[in-house]
Amino acid sequence: SQQGEEDPQALSIQEGENATMNCSYKTSINNLQWYRQNSGRGLVHLILIRSNEREKHSGRLRVTLDTSKKSSSLLITASRAADTASYFCATGVNSGYSTLTFGKGTMLLVSP
Amino acid sequence: SAVISQKPSRDICQRGTSLTIQCQVDSQVTMMFWYRQQPGQSLTLIATANQGSEATYESGFVIDKFPISRPNLTFSTLTVSNMSPEDSSIYLCSALGTGYNEQFFGPGTRLTVL
Repeated sequence: SQQGEEDPQALSIQEGENATMNCSYKTSINNLQWYRQNSGRGLVHLILIRSNEREKHSGRLRVTLDTSKKSSSLLITASRAADTASYFCATGVNSGYSTLTFGKGTMLLVSP
Repeated sequence: SAVISQKPSRDICQRGTSLTIQCQVDSQVTMMFWYRQQPGQSLTLIATANQGSEATYESGFVIDKFPISRPNLTFSTLTVSNMSPEDSSIYLCSALGTGYNEQFFGPGTRLTVL
């Protein structure tokens, strides 16, 4: 069964604007990860946040995690046309290693 | 991070035939995985490819349909057997990095079954 559910399913913005995508999950997790996929190609790992962390930054990316609400958000600031892609959250339930369960993804379109 | 390549990048096959997809990692990794991504959908884990032993399949996936080999720590193959149009998907290989459970993905193999 699908663990993560992203919303919105699709998001269309202009370059320079911020993009926020949300992910909700059902069971307790050890970590949550965000991936980007360009045009049906391979996935690129963006950021991992552990269950004992609340916020993490990487360049123009900011991820938050609220374990009480079982939700996470990915914020891309000052978006660029090159950010156009599908974004997926994935949850891991064990420390160290566990299989990942992917959400349905948000398709982001950034127009010049 | 690991760099992962897959061959072929895409293929169009006739129903009833089989296709073997190769996955090569540029460094030794402990764990490798195979995922399927059906059109417009998210990723679904098919199996964990174990080196030196049989793959571990997820619910809904069986060895007869998706045989997997992993002869060493850098290489794995997935065969899609007796294909039907419902097998048309992107098949992705991934490997577990040395970091905290992050996985690195290959570019995927886009399979179309006619």
